[in-house]
Amino acid sequence: AQKITQTQPGMFVQEKEAVTLDCTYDTSDQSYGLFWYKQPSSGEMIFLIYQGSYDEQNATEGRYSLNFQKARKSANLVISASQLGDSAMYFCAMRGSYSGGGADGLTFGKGTHLIIQP
Amino acid sequence: ETGVTQTPRHLVMGMTNKKSLKCEQHLGHNAMYWYKQSAKKPLELMFVYSLEERVENNSVPSRFSPECPNSSHLFLHLHTLQPEDSALYLCASSQDLGAGVAGELFFGEGSRLTVL
Repeated sequence: AQKITQTQPGMFVQEKEAVTLDCTYDTSDQSYGLFWYKQPSSGEMIFLIYQGSYDEQNATEGRYSLNFQKARKSANLVISASQLGDSAMYFCAMRGSYSGGGADGLTFGKGTHLIIQP
Repeated sequence: ETGVTQTPRHLVMGMTNKKSLKCEQHLGHNAMYWYKQSAKKPLELMFVYSLEERVENNSVPSRFSPECPNSSHLFLHLHTLQPEDSALYLCASSQDLGAGVAGELFFGEGSRLTVL
């Protein structure tokens, strides 16, 4: 079974500061993928960034980077130069390996509510 | 239209009603999903369809009945629901790339369901 743990229910951060959102995971799969999603108040889940378990370099997408520490089973999201529009729920998720012919969805953490203050 | 579209966005129903949620994806993906999002709980995977065949059920109560008539459309039929079924129901799609290869999920905006 897979499990995602996000230990920060909520965070307040000053605008323009960097933010680190914590995520640890547990899986017995050798091959897996880690994802971060943003959910604004509108409800839509917006894909931010992906890290494969065999990727040697940390993933980056614009202001988002993923601090992947495989030995510690940690996949923290770093947002540089935070903006007011970054205020939202952030979810860490993972997908394990599966046999061909069947998709398996994602396992999500409980999320972190990030509030950017001016 | 682009992306994943869900209708209705909001739905209020009584416990004896029968209603359906609809999801349509315009991304050419071959897998679709229903998730339930309740307050203060992680998203719960309800159903997975890959190539229009149901892959995963996750022990969802029978009062929820999915239907996937083709790779672009997914329905969630609701009947005799309970108040605790009130939640945000999210539809998602992805491209199933084969063994061990993960594709990200693209989500719709969700259908907010309230059961009275």
